[in-house]
Amino acid sequence: ILNVEQSPQSLHVQEGDSTNFTCSFPSSNFYALHWYRWETAKSPEALFVMTLNGDEKKKGRISATLNTKEGYSYLYIKGSQPEDSATYLCAFPTSYGKLTFGQGTILTVHP
Amino acid sequence: EADIYQTPRYLVIGTGKKITLECSQTMGHDKMYWYQQDPGMELHLIHYSYGVNSTEKGDLSSESTVSRIRTEHFPLTLESARPSHTSQYLCASSEYRKTDQETQYFGPGTRLLVL
Repeated sequence: ILNVEQSPQSLHVQEGDSTNFTCSFPSSNFYALHWYRWETAKSPEALFVMTLNGDEKKKGRISATLNTKEGYSYLYIKGSQPEDSATYLCAFPTSYGKLTFGQGTILTVHP
Repeated sequence: EADIYQTPRYLVIGTGKKITLECSQTMGHDKMYWYQQDPGMELHLIHYSYGVNSTEKGDLSSESTVSRIRTEHFPLTLESARPSHTSQYLCASSEYRKTDQETQYFGPGTRLLVL
């Protein structure tokens, strides 16, 4: 069974704080690493697909880095806003596009 | 903008009833997926399809069945609902590429409660 682990499980920050969380995945047979954001009552939305060791991707105040050799990815949010409150999921493809998801990090940004 | 729809959004039903959860996408994607998520747990893949007339079981065993008669439609059926089927069910789709980099687009989910 493939293990994709995310930490912390939940996080509460104040508006304006910067924050980060981790996704750990098997370092062997790496294909790609996906990050999704899932707001309450909405559909999960793709943030990044990361493929190369050392990759860094950015979307507004959100960025992600990738270390395939040690099997982890960090997601950073700079200057958190209440609208950033969501569950952040990472997912590891196993074969033919099938994704194994981590449990997610639930982020709550307090005004 | 992803166009993938699920109905119903919420369903409360009695034990023993047959139910069908609908999923449709208008993007022409070949690949479609069903995930199940119990509260506080990960999304688990229960079914997937590579195209019309293709269906496969996912990583998590499920008593549900699926069909793929049309590209845009991937319904999930439970012949006899039980309380253990209470969960959230999400449908997703993606383009077919020979990589694992294709983004999956998700529907809003169906929350099922079996009494």
